Amino acid sequence: TQLLEQSPQFLSIQEGENLTVYCNSSSVFSSLQWYRQEPGEGPVLLVTVVTGGEVKKLKRLTFQFGDARKDSSLHITAAQPGDTGLYLCAGHYKNAGNNRKLIWGLGTSLAVNP
Amino acid sequence: NAGVTQTPKFQVLKTGQSMTLQCAQDMNHEYMSWYRQDPGMGLRLIHYSVGAGITDQGEVPNGYNVSRSTTEDFPLRLLSAAPSQTSVYFCASSYWAGGHFFGPGTRLTVL
Repeated sequence: TQLLEQSPQFLSIQEGENLTVYCNSSSVFSSLQWYRQEPGEGPVLLVTVVTGGEVKKLKRLTFQFGDARKDSSLHITAAQPGDTGLYLCAGHYKNAGNNRKLIWGLGTSLAVNP
Repeated sequence: NAGVTQTPKFQVLKTGQSMTLQCAQDMNHEYMSWYRQDPGMGLRLIHYSVGAGITDQGEVPNGYNVSRSTTEDFPLRLLSAAPSQTSVYFCASSYWAGGHFFGPGTRLTVL
């Protein structure tokens, strides 16, 4: 059972468009992280959110943690070809015996066309 | 700082061969882990360690062994390679419940 559902699975847009990708669960997470992975490389941490309702901005990327800490979204404004990659969300499951193990979504594969 | 380093970057094995994937980090992180990434399956945890001398199994540990003799190093051993172990392997490290820092990966093919 996949505890973290990411949508959409694939997204292809033109440069300059805005987009939002989602990470949803029926479980509560103590924290949630977003990563970007480029082809042939390991995932790179973008942000960690820990408080329900928290919003963090990283240049043109805006991350939000849901009030109930069961979901998160990533919004990209004016997408650029350099934003192309696989976006992964991962969370530490609240009440887990060992909360250092991350639960991973399958990712959203984003292609930004020039 | 080099971050997390992995060697080799590419490897081809024959069924039944053994090998060790090396992983090292220079950030003094207590937590290290090994994942495999396969199309449609996402990242799956193989083994992890919460400190030197302490290791535990993840969700897909069969066919792999690990040890953690120092804070810096966390090698992954394939005991008898099988085609099902063809995958991309990532090592990662972090502080307690913190974001993971990943290595560049090892692309393994088992024939």
